[in-house]
Amino acid sequence: GENVEQHPSTLSVQEGDSAVIKCTYSDSASNYFPWYKQELGKRPQLIIDIRSNVGEKKDQRIAVTLNKTAKHFSLHITETQPEDSAVYFCAASRSFGNEKLTFGTGTRLTIIP
Amino acid sequence: DVKVTQSSRYLVKRTGEKVFLECVQDMDHENMFWYRQDPGLGLRLIYFSYDVKMKEKGDIPEGYSVSREKKERFSLILESASTNQTSMYLCASSLQSSGNTIYFGEGSWLTVV
Repeated sequence: GENVEQHPSTLSVQEGDSAVIKCTYSDSASNYFPWYKQELGKRPQLIIDIRSNVGEKKDQRIAVTLNKTAKHFSLHITETQPEDSAVYFCAASRSFGNEKLTFGTGTRLTIIP
Repeated sequence: DVKVTQSSRYLVKRTGEKVFLECVQDMDHENMFWYRQDPGLGLRLIYFSYDVKMKEKGDIPEGYSVSREKKERFSLILESASTNQTSMYLCASSLQSSGNTIYFGEGSWLTVV
């Protein structure tokens, strides 16, 4: 089955700086890669996703890049703000419909004011 | 807004007790999932279901069972709770046509003493 590795497990950045979280996956057939954000005491929520037919996707201060050859994808947060402090999870799956997501182990991001 | 509701937020049970965790979604989603969240281990899939009365084992099904008698309801059952099942349990659902975007419930904190 799919195996997703996520690094780093914890990350602290100064407010206004950028943060990068990296994930690798094992199943070359995976083609859907979402990122979830979980604030303290709350449910994980989708913040951005990318499919294998594109290499990069942006949404305001958040971007995700995908390198299918190397089987890794990354989350980039620019101009970080205190509300970006949370646990971030990457995930991967093979196809749409009824395929299950495999999650990484999470990154606890702390923004230092 | 998609709503995934887990009936119990906090439970304390004794070793050997039978435990039921209930989950209801109101968006007519075909897929439903039960994940377990532990520090440093991320979100691990216990069981999932693509349709009523269907179930598939996830990555860590041992010690758990599930029931899906109605489309909107997916129950997780711990036949005989053990202390190593102390964890946060997250229910989730998705449409089969939505590209695997899954929506989580608020979570159920289970402590087994």
